[in-house]
Order: sequence, then C-alpha cells, then structure tokens
Amino acid sequence: KQEVTQIPAALSVPEGENLVLNCSFTDSAIYNLQWFRQDPGKGLTSLLLIQSSQREQTSGRLNASLDKSSGRSTLYIAASQPGDSATYLCAMLSNSGYALNFGKGTSLLVTP
Amino acid sequence: DGGITQSPKYLFRKEGQNVTLSCEQNLNHDAMYWYRQDPGQGLRLIYYSQIVNDFQKGDIAEGYSVSREKKESFPLTVTSAQKNPTAFYLCASTWAAGGYNEQFFGPGTRLTVL
Repeated sequence: KQEVTQIPAALSVPEGENLVLNCSFTDSAIYNLQWFRQDPGKGLTSLLLIQSSQREQTSGRLNASLDKSSGRSTLYIAASQPGDSATYLCAMLSNSGYALNFGKGTSLLVTP
Repeated sequence: DGGITQSPKYLFRKEGQNVTLSCEQNLNHDAMYWYRQDPGQGLRLIYYSQIVNDFQKGDIAEGYSVSREKKESFPLTVTSAQKNPTAFYLCASTWAAGGYNEQFFGPGTRLTVL
C-alpha cells in the first residue's frame, strides 16, 4: 500500500519568506499527485494537480514539482503571507487504486 | 454555482443511533468518495462509488453504509456498529475513479457522539 510522508509536520515562518513543503511516497506507479490546502474546520481546497508525465505545475505564488524516480514532491510557496497559514496536504492516486492516498499534512503558520 | 455540498455542518449522535450524512454534487461527476479525518491522521477512505448503483468498500468501511441511487447524491450512514464515530467526514468527487482526474472536496460534516 502506498505510504505518504510529509515533512515537516509543522512550520512557522515570518511573512515574506520563501518556503518548501516536502512530500515523499513509496510507490512511484502513480497517475497523479495533488496538493491541497485545509483551513481549520473546513474542507480541502485543491491547489495543484500534477499528472504522472509532468514534472511541475505553477499557480500564482505556488509551484509544485514531482520526481517519481525518487518518490518526492515539493510545494514551493513564494513570498509567504499570513493568509497562507493553513494545513497543506499532499495525496496521490496510485495506478492500482481508485482513491487518493494522503499524507498527514504540514501545518504552516506565517507570522506578520 | 458548481460544487459539492455536505449537510449538516455539525451532527450530534447519541449512543446506539444511526445517523446519515448528506453529500450532493452538481459537477456531473461519476465518482464520489467518503473520507474520515481524525486529528493527527491523514484522510482515510470509507467508501467510494464509480457509478450509480455501484459502490466499493474502502479501508475503514466497518460500521458505515452508503447508497448511490442518483448520480449527484452519495449519502453516508454511520451505524451503531461504528464504535468510535467522532470525526470530521469529507465527501469528494471526480470525473471518473482512477485515471488522471482532479478530485474536489465538500466542506465537511463534524460528527460528535454524546
């Protein structure tokens, strides 16, 4: 079964910093990888979807990369803002499955 | 306005009661999912449905039941057999299970056992 690990579990940075969130997975046979944002008590908001044939995706200040050979994905957030404070989850769909496998998330706090 | 709605937002259950969580989508998606989220854990799959009148058990299906009579609706019943139902429940949908499709989530229902 696919195992997904997110490091660090929690991160606190001052406003304006660039930061990287990490996600590693054990099975490289995946269809796609998704990064989500979750605010406290809320549902998940999809940030970026990377297909297995792609290396990265960008949306505004967010950039996600995928390296299947090493079983890693990173989410880069440029010029962080207090409004970026949330939990960030990565999840992937394995070739053998029908539903996403999730990591436990990274809780991000951006201080003014 | 396209999206996924879940109701109620908060639900309280007494011991021994069955309760039903609603999930509706107007995205015309074929596949729908139920996940459970507990503090400090990742989301875990309860049930999924690839098409109307068909559904499959996920990793933690015991104590739960579902139906899929309409494409847009996928209700989840938490039965009295579920020993520890207090959790945050999330419904999701996508164009088709498997493949390269983006998955979208509803706002969630928080269930508390009194």
